[in-house]
Amino acid sequence: DAGVIQSPRHEVTEMGQEVTLRCKPISGHDYLFWYRQTMMRGLELLIYFNNNVPIDDSGMPEDRFSAKMPNASFSTLKIQPSEPRDSAVYFCASSFIGGPQHFGDGTRLSIL
Amino acid sequence: DQQVKQNSPSLSVQEGRISILNCDYTNSMFDYFLWYKKYPAEGPTFLISISSIKDKNEDGRFTVFLNKSAKHLSLHIVPSQPGDSAVYFCAAKKSEYGNKLVFGAGTILRVKS
Repeated sequence: DAGVIQSPRHEVTEMGQEVTLRCKPISGHDYLFWYRQTMMRGLELLIYFNNNVPIDDSGMPEDRFSAKMPNASFSTLKIQPSEPRDSAVYFCASSFIGGPQHFGDGTRLSIL
Repeated sequence: DQQVKQNSPSLSVQEGRISILNCDYTNSMFDYFLWYKKYPAEGPTFLISISSIKDKNEDGRFTVFLNKSAKHLSLHIVPSQPGDSAVYFCAAKKSEYGNKLVFGAGTILRVKS
């Protein structure tokens, strides 16, 4: 039974480059969440979708960040242009309504 | 504005003894609470939850207690095992707002053998 799958697991790139993080939620889940974890701010919600529709993007830090969910089995989080302060671990999670969120193993992003 | 607080950054416990992890919240609208466990280089894993209509929920070695008047919950692990060493996150939500969770900063638990 596959869990939430994130790719890549690690990404190292230079500032100014575009970064795309990918997520495949658990089949049948109708909620998808993007989180960022840093030492300073802990685990913070960036955006979440319900049935592929963005519901709350109040956690997205800047216009440089964007997220899409073109279908029920795929979502992307894009940063353009990237900056060193974007370095963090980014997690994707999915759930049924009322159920616990299930997390992927994250993407560790380093912007040089 | 931290709505969910885990004031102990770390906790060290001897194998076989009880581990007690604490969490406080400020938003009285929260009606559902969860605990997650996280190992290094992995995502958080759901452990146990409790609704605000209950004051206790038990699952094997794990028990969560909720004190609504004090806006406080705790996770008890009995007996503690070395494999329980991980970061534990407390999370809360308001069910009317769907499945959006607010997480605490986490507590590192070390179980010594």
